[in-house]
Amino acid sequence: GAGVSQSPSNKVTEKGKDVELRCDPISGHTALYWYRQSLGQGLEFLIYFQGNSAPDKSGLPSDRFSAERTGGSVSTLTIQRTQQEDSAVYLCASSLQGGSPYEQYFGPGTRLTVT
Amino acid sequence: SQKIEQNSEALNIQEGKTATLTCNYTNYSPAYLQWYRQDPGRGPVFLLLIRENEKEKRKERLKVTFDTTLKQSLFHITASQPADSATYLCALDDTDKLIFGTGTRLQVFP
Repeated sequence: GAGVSQSPSNKVTEKGKDVELRCDPISGHTALYWYRQSLGQGLEFLIYFQGNSAPDKSGLPSDRFSAERTGGSVSTLTIQRTQQEDSAVYLCASSLQGGSPYEQYFGPGTRLTVT
Repeated sequence: SQKIEQNSEALNIQEGKTATLTCNYTNYSPAYLQWYRQDPGRGPVFLLLIRENEKEKRKERLKVTFDTTLKQSLFHITASQPADSATYLCALDDTDKLIFGTGTRLQVFP
């Protein structure tokens, strides 16, 4: 079946603009995660959705970052008033259920460049 | 403070040898630890999960150990091949989410 998909694959934006990144998880997966990976760095946790529960937003770096998950499926990560330090690859992952015993399936990522 | 440490320097080994990668953690008490492989320009791919009550887990040429006393996991690839060249990430659980290490880049040369 289809894996996790993300769009766009690349996004170049000017400093100060807003951007929206989209994630389509694997059908039937109840948990969805967003991560950020800067060049040569590990994955930085941003936010976690599990079913209808309130999301875990503890990793969002500032109030310019927000995310939604509509209908328990597609998720959108929004970055307002982008800054150059927001440049990174944004990765989405889904798992069958929430919690660490479940392996995460990652999308290919969106490479964001803020000029 | 909480830390997950993996060798930041690349590991270069000859084909056929065993590669051993290290993951050390501080101020975590994970019930699970996972290992992922990441190729350039791609998302990570799950390899193995090991639970705190398991000392060792194997899958084909891969072996993972988990020592909760030493707060360390070792990841072994036996009979390594150039196709094993990639970055390997360890991740441990922290209240229902995974926290990833920075990864170790493995280069297997013929």
